[in-house]
Amino acid sequence: GAVVSQHPSRVICKSGTSVKIECRSLDFQATTMFWYRQFPKKSLMLMATSNEGSKATYEQGVEKDKFLINHASLTLSTLTVTSAHPEDSSFYICSARVGLAGGIEQFFGPGTRLTVL
Amino acid sequence: DQQVKQNSPSLSVQEGRISILNCDYTNSMFDYFLWYKKYPAEGPTFLISISSIKDKNEDGRFTVFLNKSAKHLSLHIVPSQPGDSAVYFCAASAYGNKLVFGAGTILRVKS
Repeated sequence: GAVVSQHPSRVICKSGTSVKIECRSLDFQATTMFWYRQFPKKSLMLMATSNEGSKATYEQGVEKDKFLINHASLTLSTLTVTSAHPEDSSFYICSARVGLAGGIEQFFGPGTRLTVL
Repeated sequence: DQQVKQNSPSLSVQEGRISILNCDYTNSMFDYFLWYKKYPAEGPTFLISISSIKDKNEDGRFTVFLNKSAKHLSLHIVPSQPGDSAVYFCAASAYGNKLVFGAGTILRVKS
């Protein structure tokens, strides 16, 4: 399957600072990338959908000014958690979609564990 | 409103036997379904998918069955291996829109 990478895999930061997470599709071009958040023992919660060259579409309840998403190219999307607070501590996962004839395939990155102190 | 439901939070199976993971959905607009496997602190790994025009898709040890009239799909793993122990998520999409995930089922394969 296609490979999606995320960097960093783990980050610890102080409250009030901003953290940037990168998501790259390594061997394919992804017109659409997604950002998810997973709470302990819960399913994946979609935060936003980003298309290359356009503004991200945020899910209801997700603060777009807090979670800045940039999809600068067909292989890179970034999520910046601005002015992070302890409640932002979570496991963030990006995903990239490949559109195939007759279907869709969506591949996930390995995730980033964010801990805000 | 949970459009995709995985009603069994966990399943325990003996190595070598069949694992059957179930998923139900309510939205009749869903036309594409996927199964993912996830280990703790890792991203989900794509396993297998099926379009609503089919009722079965097979890939190695993994087979997905779709029953549109019952709005039900299942993932069969045979034979089950200890390395299959993970959380399994089913997901659905309508017309290429965002994936809607179930809550996941923890599979434990005992050796």
